Amino acid sequence: EADIYQTPRYLVIGTGKKITLECSQTMGHDKMYWYQQDPGMELHLIHYSYGVNSTEKGDLSSESTVSRIRTEHFPLTLESARPSHTSQYLCASSEPGLANEQFFGPGTRLTVL
Amino acid sequence: AQKVTQAQTEISVVEKEDVTLDCVYETRDTTYYLFWYKQPPSGELVFLIRRNSFDEQNEISGRYSWNFQKSTSSFNFTITASQVVDSAVYFCALSEVKGAQKLVFGQGTRLTINP
Repeated sequence: EADIYQTPRYLVIGTGKKITLECSQTMGHDKMYWYQQDPGMELHLIHYSYGVNSTEKGDLSSESTVSRIRTEHFPLTLESARPSHTSQYLCASSEPGLANEQFFGPGTRLTVL
Repeated sequence: AQKVTQAQTEISVVEKEDVTLDCVYETRDTTYYLFWYKQPPSGELVFLIRRNSFDEQNEISGRYSWNFQKSTSSFNFTITASQVVDSAVYFCALSEVKGAQKLVFGQGTRLTINP
């Protein structure tokens, strides 16, 4: 059973606010990922990390930023939220050697008014 | 560049019918992984299967089966005797074997099983 958590599950916020989406995993996985899911269903990688102090941008350009100070924690921050940021954000982690089975969190559904 | 195409945006069938979800992929890598994930209305992604590119054996797990054909770059998913609980969005995905092992997803197929 995968143990990866995301908070909040739902967030409705006004334009211009700074927000941080939390993602934590208790499996000690090195690799972590953030995916953005459009209302139209497509999932795109926006950030990933190989481990502590490693962060990389994904295939889809995003105004968000991430940090990886601890193995278990991979938060995503939006400095100034806009309606175009309305989406579902899914966090995942995987352990090298397990053929990249990525374990996903429950997601955060963000609405920016 | 890697690409996954799920041509069927939505499928609707009556319970107990068999249904096949198509997946076609593109990659220049000689080795890669293919995946299927299920996303129920609650929103989380549930891992269903992983297949190595060098293993073309088809797989069956209960009512689920997968047909991997490297010659046509396809990895199709069949649900036999569908049930209402199978209603969800299903994603096919591809990843590299080394490096970041990022998942590249298809557009998803929304499957509705009607009672």
